[in-house]
Amino acid sequence: SQQGEEDPQALSIQEGENATMNCSYKTSINNLQWYRQNSGRGLVHLILIRSNEREKHSGRLRVTLDTSKKSSSLLITASRAADTASYFCATVSTSGTYKYIFGTGTRLKVLA
Amino acid sequence: DTEVTQTPKHLVMGMTNKKSLKCEQHMGHRAMYWYKQKAKKPPELMFVYSYEKLSINESVPSRFSPECPNSSLLNLHLHALQPEDSALYLCASSQVGTGTYEQFFGPGTRLTVL
Repeated sequence: SQQGEEDPQALSIQEGENATMNCSYKTSINNLQWYRQNSGRGLVHLILIRSNEREKHSGRLRVTLDTSKKSSSLLITASRAADTASYFCATVSTSGTYKYIFGTGTRLKVLA
Repeated sequence: DTEVTQTPKHLVMGMTNKKSLKCEQHMGHRAMYWYKQKAKKPPELMFVYSYEKLSINESVPSRFSPECPNSSLLNLHLHALQPEDSALYLCASSQVGTGTYEQFFGPGTRLTVL
């Protein structure tokens, strides 16, 4: 399977703490994207990091990318109960298709 | 308007029924996608349309038949489904550019096959 792996599968933290989730993938990529999905709903795009970037910030989000290790991490700082959701990384290979491959996902629960 | 709409929100159908899922976007995106998602699993790509032409079919059974009548609409026709086809069906759209752009997702259709 070309599917990426994410860890941890599930994460439970207290409000105000930071949450870190990791993604590993298998092919050479153009970019890597992170999405959030609230229970049973559509996915929302969070951030895109290109293959020539190593780190990117957006509000409370920090994403890193290590193409040599084929891995990425998403850090959510000062978490809130509203951050409770599943988080997926998604990649598209450099072979030039529209085939987005999603990682297995991390289920984050932020306790108030 | 940055919204992708999907109808219906919920659908229950028998194995002999024919039904259709509908997806619409007005962002001018020329790439549209169908995904299937089982509980606690990531979305799995089913079909991709680019400029209203089918560009990817991930070996999906023929009981699923996609259609892209124009640049704003995407349909998924369902016929003779199996109970294991019960899932959340997600539609997405993006600008054309082979994975360069973010995808915008609809809220999904929760399908139950009896």
